[in-house]
Amino acid sequence: DAGVIQSPRHEVTEMGQEVTLRCKPISGHNSLFWYRQTMMRGLELLIYFNNNVPIDDSGMPEDRFSAKMPNASFSTLKIQPSEPRDSAVYFCASSLKGSGANVLTFGAGSRLTVL
Amino acid sequence: KQEVTQIPAALSVPEGENLVLNCSFTDSAIYNLQWFRQDPGKGLTSLLLIQSSQREQTSGRLNASLDKSSGRSTLYIAASQPGDSATYLCAVLYGNNRLAFGKGNQVVVIP
Repeated sequence: DAGVIQSPRHEVTEMGQEVTLRCKPISGHNSLFWYRQTMMRGLELLIYFNNNVPIDDSGMPEDRFSAKMPNASFSTLKIQPSEPRDSAVYFCASSLKGSGANVLTFGAGSRLTVL
Repeated sequence: KQEVTQIPAALSVPEGENLVLNCSFTDSAIYNLQWFRQDPGKGLTSLLLIQSSQREQTSGRLNASLDKSSGRSTLYIAASQPGDSATYLCAVLYGNNRLAFGKGNQVVVIP
């Protein structure tokens, strides 16, 4: 398995533009997580899905952020409109819930810079 | 809300010394605790996972202990090498499948 695949790896955009980040989890994993990492706040959970259903989105900062998981092999995180304070590294991770171990496998991240 | 703290935030050690990294958490009702490694510009790699019923886990030069009642975990890295230079993050699984992270220990091993 190629692991968790995220795209794009880097994105530079201007304030007000729409940003879409993509994630392909590990095949067979049933839980998917979106995290945001900044120097100030560390890693923060934004939202997680179990069996494609959003379970907890309490970490989503505001209505400008939305996430979807239309099927077991694909998820998107969208920011519209983007703001400079959204600049961060966004990580996607997946796991097999119920396996007892719940070991998370992370993607390499998408580094977002909003000018 | 679960708070995870890692001290010190950064440390440097000469090659060959043992590394001791500390993690504390406020709510002892956890399912497990994981230690991750993060290299600059990269994602997180899981190193060790300790279930709440366990007291320690070992993998090669790495040993992690868990004292759930006091809300503490320690990661030991024996005979450190320059390749161990990275940021080490501690995370606890609690509640409804929520994973709370510390901000990490940034380690530099000096050759």
